[in-house]
Amino acid sequence: QTVVTQEPSLSVSPGGTVTLTCGLNSGSVSTTYYPSWYQQTPGQAPRTLVYSTNIRSSGVPDRFSGSILGNKAALTITGAQADDESDYYCVLYMGNGIRVFGGGTKLSVL
Amino acid sequence: EVQLLESGGSLVQPGGSLRLSCEGSGFIFSNYAMSWVRQVPGKGLEWVSIISDSTGSTYYADSVKGRFTISRDNSRNTHTLQMSRLRAEDTALYYCATTSNYAFLMWGRGTMVTVSS
Repeated sequence: QTVVTQEPSLSVSPGGTVTLTCGLNSGSVSTTYYPSWYQQTPGQAPRTLVYSTNIRSSGVPDRFSGSILGNKAALTITGAQADDESDYYCVLYMGNGIRVFGGGTKLSVL
Repeated sequence: EVQLLESGGSLVQPGGSLRLSCEGSGFIFSNYAMSWVRQVPGKGLEWVSIISDSTGSTYYADSVKGRFTISRDNSRNTHTLQMSRLRAEDTALYYCATTSNYAFLMWGRGTMVTVSS
């Protein structure tokens, strides 16, 4: 069974940089998985941040950037702000129309 | 303004059926594949199903395959999720989302489905 892995929680200081990762329980993540990233605050619908590895969605500030780091997809937040404190989810396209979400990362800014 | 409006969520008994709808406005509906994503309150997101923009190809997560059916009516800017043989574990907030470039791009606010006796 395919499992998409994310750090359960991370923290970053205001103004700091943090990298969230998105991996597979077996195998490496590459651009052919078209990784995408979503931000969700409590009680709100998800917001699309990045898709196709590194394309920012409309209106997303450039301090959010996507990449492949080693064998994982990555979302890097530079100059973290208080309102970046949210849950972050990645999605991988597994082929044959199938998408799989990671378990999410709870990011604290403190 | 782009909007996606889900409807149809309610309380239903185990084994029952329910039909969710999602109406889109402010964009060319027929240009986008459409997906359903669900979230158990307090838990993570789970992709449920997708229907392509033009060919009508459909795909499902294993957890709902054979029980849920997705369809669309481009003339009404609407797509639906027909859910049958519902289980307690189907209880969740169901979001619809436009899908393009292998990603969910625009999201609705969700409609709540509760499966309980």
